[in-house]
Amino acid sequence: EAGVTQSPTHLIKTRGQQATLRCSPISGHTSVYWYQQALGLGLQFLLWYDEGEERNRGNFPPRFSGRQFPNYSSELNVNALELEDSALYLCASSGIYHSGNTIYFGEGSWLTVV
Amino acid sequence: DAKTTQPTSMDCAEGRAANLPCNHSTISGNEYVYWYRQIHSQGPQYIIHGLKNNETNEMASLIITEDRKSSTLILPHATLRDTAVYYCIVRPINDYKLSFGAGTTVTVRA
Repeated sequence: EAGVTQSPTHLIKTRGQQATLRCSPISGHTSVYWYQQALGLGLQFLLWYDEGEERNRGNFPPRFSGRQFPNYSSELNVNALELEDSALYLCASSGIYHSGNTIYFGEGSWLTVV
Repeated sequence: DAKTTQPTSMDCAEGRAANLPCNHSTISGNEYVYWYRQIHSQGPQYIIHGLKNNETNEMASLIITEDRKSSTLILPHATLRDTAVYYCIVRPINDYKLSFGAGTTVTVRA
C-alpha cells in the first residue's frame, strides 16, 4: 500500500514567485495536514483539510493557502515567495478525524527560494 | 507549547536496547502519547502510540507509567539506521494536529 506521496521532491523558486506543492494521501484517508520545517527548526503546523474543507490553519500569513480535491489529494500554494519560506514542506494524512487515528507523513518537498 | 520534556540527546550502542524517556506530567486522561522519529532530511515516521496501557509493535515498545506522567520508548535492538531525532508528543483526543517539540537526538554507535 502506497504511503503519503509528495511532489516535487525539490523546487527552486525566485523571490516573489509562487510555488505549488502537491500531496496524495494514503488511500482511504480523508484528512490532509501540511507542516513547514525550516532548516534547524521544528515542525510547524500550517494547514488541515478534511473532506474538501479547510478546517484550521496555523500562524502563517494568507499567502500560504491550499485546497483539497474530491479525491482527497491536496496542494499547497505559497504566493509572493520570501527567502525565509525556504524549508521542507511535509504533508501528512489520517483517517476520519479522531486523535486515535494515526497521522502518517510523506517524505516532504524541499522548497528553496533564491 | 509542547507538553513533553525529553533529553536533548543520547547515545546507544548498536545491538543494545535504547530506552528513550519522556516526561508529560500535565497529561490528562483524554490525551494520547505518540512517538515519531525523523531521520535526517526525511519525513517523520510514526513509531507507536498509547493511551493508558503499554503497547508493542514491530518497531518498538511503549511503557507508560501508572500515573501516566511519563513514558519510555524502547527500541529492543538498536541499529545504525535507528539514528534519528525522536519526538514524544501528547495529543488530546479532540486535537487534530501534532505539536512537535525539539525531540531527542539519538545516535547509535557501532
